[in-house]
Amino acid sequence: AQSVAQPEDQVNVAEGNPLTVKCTYSVSGNPYLFWYVQYPNRGLQFLLKYITGDNLVKGSYGFEAEFNKSQTSFHLKKPSALVSDSALYFCAVRVRSGGGADGLTFGKGTHLIIQP
Amino acid sequence: DTAVSQTPKYLVTQMGNDKSIKCEQNLGHDTMYWYKQDSKKFLKIMFSYNNKELIINETVPNRFSPKSPDKAHLNLHINSLELGDSAVYFCASSQTQGASYGYTFGSGTRLTVV
Repeated sequence: AQSVAQPEDQVNVAEGNPLTVKCTYSVSGNPYLFWYVQYPNRGLQFLLKYITGDNLVKGSYGFEAEFNKSQTSFHLKKPSALVSDSALYFCAVRVRSGGGADGLTFGKGTHLIIQP
Repeated sequence: DTAVSQTPKYLVTQMGNDKSIKCEQNLGHDTMYWYKQDSKKFLKIMFSYNNKELIINETVPNRFSPKSPDKAHLNLHINSLELGDSAVYFCASSQTQGASYGYTFGSGTRLTVV
């Protein structure tokens, strides 16, 4: 069975500092990894994904993530945090079900709080 | 133009009632999903429909029934609503050819059962 772990319920960062939101995964085979962001009372917005190739992927709003196969991790990073980055962040892995279609499994989410 | 739209955005109803949530996508995707987000913000997949065929049903009570008249629509019907059904329900769509595609989500329907 596939799973995604986000070990931190909340991450606090001062504005202008670098941020990291952690994610580890467990799947059979090659993972397809995603990060989504959810602002209050809104749906989930796609940030970035890793499929294959370069381990460092860049996404929306200046975010990037590094795929590390040996550590089964896909941490989200940003060099300089903005107050507007404060939101709930979800890591997710896409796997193939027995029926042939895919199911996206989410971590429990990490609240990112950027302090002015 | 909204890619994945859900209606209604808010739904307050009494226990025992039957209600439906509608979802439509204009992305040409061939698979649609329903997710439930509980009070702790945990997201759990409920159903997946691929070309009007049910693919996933993750231990959801049979009071919940997805209905897909065509591949652009996936509605969620809930019978005999219970207090524990209160949550935010998200519709999503994706293209299944190649698992590299992510999902596009609707803005959610906040269901409150009183």
